[in-house]
Amino acid sequence: NAGVTQTPKFQVLKTGQSMTLQCAQDMNHNSMYWYRQDPGMGLRLIYYSASEGTTDKGEVPNGYNVSRLNKREFSLRLESAAPSQTSVYFCASRHDVRSRRFQETQYFGPGTRLLVL
Amino acid sequence: GDSVTQMEGPVTLSEEAFLTINCTYTATGYPSLFWYVQYPGEGLQLLLKATKADDKGSNKGFEATYRKETTSFHLEKGSVQVSDSAVYFCALRSGNTPLVFGKGTRLSVIA
Repeated sequence: NAGVTQTPKFQVLKTGQSMTLQCAQDMNHNSMYWYRQDPGMGLRLIYYSASEGTTDKGEVPNGYNVSRLNKREFSLRLESAAPSQTSVYFCASRHDVRSRRFQETQYFGPGTRLLVL
Repeated sequence: GDSVTQMEGPVTLSEEAFLTINCTYTATGYPSLFWYVQYPGEGLQLLLKATKADDKGSNKGFEATYRKETTSFHLEKGSVQVSDSAVYFCALRSGNTPLVFGKGTRLSVIA
């Protein structure tokens, strides 16, 4: 299993450009997540998808859109990039089982480093 | 809402020193607690977890005990190695919701 994969690994954008960050998992997980990591801020949740066909806002959704394309794939789109979106973006997935009392492990991808000039 | 507070870093230790990274939480309900580790240039990976009071999670020489009375889940290791240099995140989950993370503590171990 490849686990959680993310593309690209690194990207430089100019202010106002758009791009889509791709994420895929091969573990048949139902929940998927997008986080951003900034120095001193830890991880902040952007959007998540509890199941195929559903998406919900996290702590910092402004300036982003997401698509849960199928059970495997969850993409993050920046329509008009801004320097404040310079960050490292992590995708994660988890298999939620109602009977297991919230103890399931969440698996992370290797991250995408985005620089917006 | 739920929250996690962990000690600010960076923490710098000599090899073989004892490590403690403090973590306290606020949660509704009865959360599960986690420690994740992020090695340089990588994503996060689960280090250990505990799902009920007095449970002790352990892995790779690290331990943490779920203390409901003090709402704490401190991470400890008796003898750190250079290879333990990383950022450590405490996290909780108290419902069918996303994980809530602390801000992370950077550990540097010098030989």
